[in-house]
Amino acid sequence: SAVISQKPSRDICQRGTSLTIQCQVDSQVTMMFWYRQQPGQSLTLIATANQGSEATYESGFVIDKFPISRPNLTFSTLTVSNMSPEDSSIYLCSVQRGQGYEKLFFGSGTQLSVL
Amino acid sequence: GNSVTQMEGPVTLSEEAFLTINCTYTATGYPSLFWYVQYPGEGLQLLLKATKADDKGSNKGFEATYRKETTSFHLEKGSVQVSDSAVYFCALHNQAGTALIFGKGTTLSVSS
Repeated sequence: SAVISQKPSRDICQRGTSLTIQCQVDSQVTMMFWYRQQPGQSLTLIATANQGSEATYESGFVIDKFPISRPNLTFSTLTVSNMSPEDSSIYLCSVQRGQGYEKLFFGSGTQLSVL
Repeated sequence: GNSVTQMEGPVTLSEEAFLTINCTYTATGYPSLFWYVQYPGEGLQLLLKATKADDKGSNKGFEATYRKETTSFHLEKGSVQVSDSAVYFCALHNQAGTALIFGKGTTLSVSS
C-alpha cells in the first residue's frame, strides 16, 4: 500500500482567490493523478502528473485554471485558481505503484467550498 | 462512450442485513470492473475487481460478478456490519493509457 497525506483536508475560500492542495507520498512513485468530485457527480480525472514533465490535462481542464507542480517523486501540488462557487468539490490525489489498477491508491481528499 | 451508473444512496441497513448496491456500465469492448470503498476520513481503496466476463471478485465478505449479458457488476454482502459504513464506488477501465471511470458513489450506513 501507499501512505498519502493530502492537505488541507478542507477549506472555505472566497470567490476569486486561489488554493493550493498538497499531496505527499511516503515513497517514490512515477505516476500521480488529481481527481475532482463535484457534489452528486462521479470522480473525474483532472490531470496526470509525472515527475520531470508537464502535467497532462483531461478534456475540460486547463493549466491556467488548475496548475500542477511535481518537483520530485514523492510530492505534487494542485492549485485551483481564480475560484468560483462551481469549483466547490472534493479534490483527490492518487498514485499508481506498479502495474494494474489494483496498484492505485488515493489520498483522503480536500473538501473545498467557495463562497 | 464509457460510463458507470450506480444506484442512488444513501443506503441504510441494520447490522446483519443483506446488502446489494447495483452497478451497470456502458463500454465498448471488454472493460475491467472495480469496486472501491472510502471509509470516513480515509482515501479510496480497492475493494475487489474482475477482469473478464463471469469473473467473481471477492474481499472482506463482499462479492461482485462481472455479468456481460446484463452489463452489470452488482456489489453484495450477506451480512453487513457497522464497520462497513462507507462510500462505495463502482469503476471501469477500458483501455490502456486511459483513466478509470467512476460512478457517483453510494453511501452505506449500517446501524447496530
